[in-house]
Amino acid sequence: EPEVTQTPSHQVTQMGQEVILRCVPISNHLYFYWYRQILGQKVEFLVSFYNNEISEKSEIFDDQFSVERPDGSNFTLKIRSTKLEDSAMYFCASSVRGLLTNEKLFFGSGTQLSVL
Amino acid sequence: GNSVTQMEGPVTLSEEAFLTINCTYTATGYPSLFWYVQYPGEGLQLLLKATKADDKGSNKGFEATYRKETTSFHLEKGSVQVSDSAVYFCALSANSGGSNYKLTFGKGTLLTVNP
Repeated sequence: EPEVTQTPSHQVTQMGQEVILRCVPISNHLYFYWYRQILGQKVEFLVSFYNNEISEKSEIFDDQFSVERPDGSNFTLKIRSTKLEDSAMYFCASSVRGLLTNEKLFFGSGTQLSVL
Repeated sequence: GNSVTQMEGPVTLSEEAFLTINCTYTATGYPSLFWYVQYPGEGLQLLLKATKADDKGSNKGFEATYRKETTSFHLEKGSVQVSDSAVYFCALSANSGGSNYKLTFGKGTLLTVNP
């Protein structure tokens, strides 16, 4: 089965530094998502992206966050100035048609971000 | 808003034991309900889903029935295997008030099955 690929699997950074988390969604998918899970808490929606623009974002996704699909294959999440509370597992996901059709999301295995 | 509450883990069972992981939800409208599973080192994978009341989703011996009257979607399996050891996430998909749907997840329940 095709896979969503995320790199790196672990990222350690200093508070205040910029990080870019990378994802390669499944090639014929059109909808892209970032979710995160802080240790011991729920998996939380961050942002959805379709047709080269953000279609929805949560209150977590403030000005410090941005997403980009720079080259038609990668989908990146940038955190401009990391905070301790950004430490979490970040999951990328993609789907062909979006959840309106109750279609399943394909998730990557996650990037564990640790902010020191 | 929408929310999902699922049984706190971890859950440890012996092989061939019966499994129940409870999940209840709060949502506006008529959500679709899902169980996702995350095996060690892998991403979340859809295990099963149900899109309307009284639907039963099933896959790999797992079942869950959409119960609107109790707002529940409990996951069950009659006889677990060591290979079922994973984290299980209950989730719902509902219109958030905008034009897009998104998944709302529970915290996840770690299941360990011992031989």
